[in-house]
Amino acid sequence: AQTVTQSQPEMSVQEAETVTLSCTYDTSESDYYLFWYKQPPSRQMILVIRQEAYKQQNATENRFSVNFQKAAKSFSLKISDSQLGDAAMYFCAYRVIQGAQKLVFGQGTRLTINP
Amino acid sequence: DVKVTQSSRYLVKRTGEKVFLECVQDMDHENMFWYRQDPGLGLRLIYFSYDVKMKEKGDIPEGYSVSREKKERFSLILESASTNQTSMYLCASSLFGPGQENTEAFFGQGTRLTVV
Repeated sequence: AQTVTQSQPEMSVQEAETVTLSCTYDTSESDYYLFWYKQPPSRQMILVIRQEAYKQQNATENRFSVNFQKAAKSFSLKISDSQLGDAAMYFCAYRVIQGAQKLVFGQGTRLTINP
Repeated sequence: DVKVTQSSRYLVKRTGEKVFLECVQDMDHENMFWYRQDPGLGLRLIYFSYDVKMKEKGDIPEGYSVSREKKERFSLILESASTNQTSMYLCASSLFGPGQENTEAFFGQGTRLTVV
């Protein structure tokens, strides 16, 4: 069974600084998708970034980028120039390409931004 | 914009009651999901459906059932609510298919259920 692990229950960063959230996963599949979702206090889950496993290039979306290490099964999220609006729960998630298209989530990391 | 709407944001029910949580999506998505969110455990899949009248068990289906009579609506049923089902429930939907453009799941705003 696929599992996703986020080992940092809480993180904090100063506004304008950079922070990295960690995620590891376990799978026997060779191709799959990985995601980072953000859940602010409004509870609305928002997709931050996604990565397809066969693509070597790390995905980026503005201030958000990932460090995807397929052999190590690691998928970390880097947030540059942190802003107060980045404060939220962040969830790492995994999905296989074929078959059941459910998302498997990690435990979440609560990110606090200090002004 | 895709919209996934859950019928209630907050709900308080008594032990033993039958509870219905409703979810409606307006983007003709084939896939619909019910997750339960608890602190320190993340989101855990209860049930999902990839077509009308089709359902599959997720990781924690015990004590729950689902109904999907129409494509846009996916209901979660707690047959006899218990205090250990107090939690946040999130509904999500997505398109069916392997392409990257189909991978994004859209979520409702969650129902915080308290069973007393």
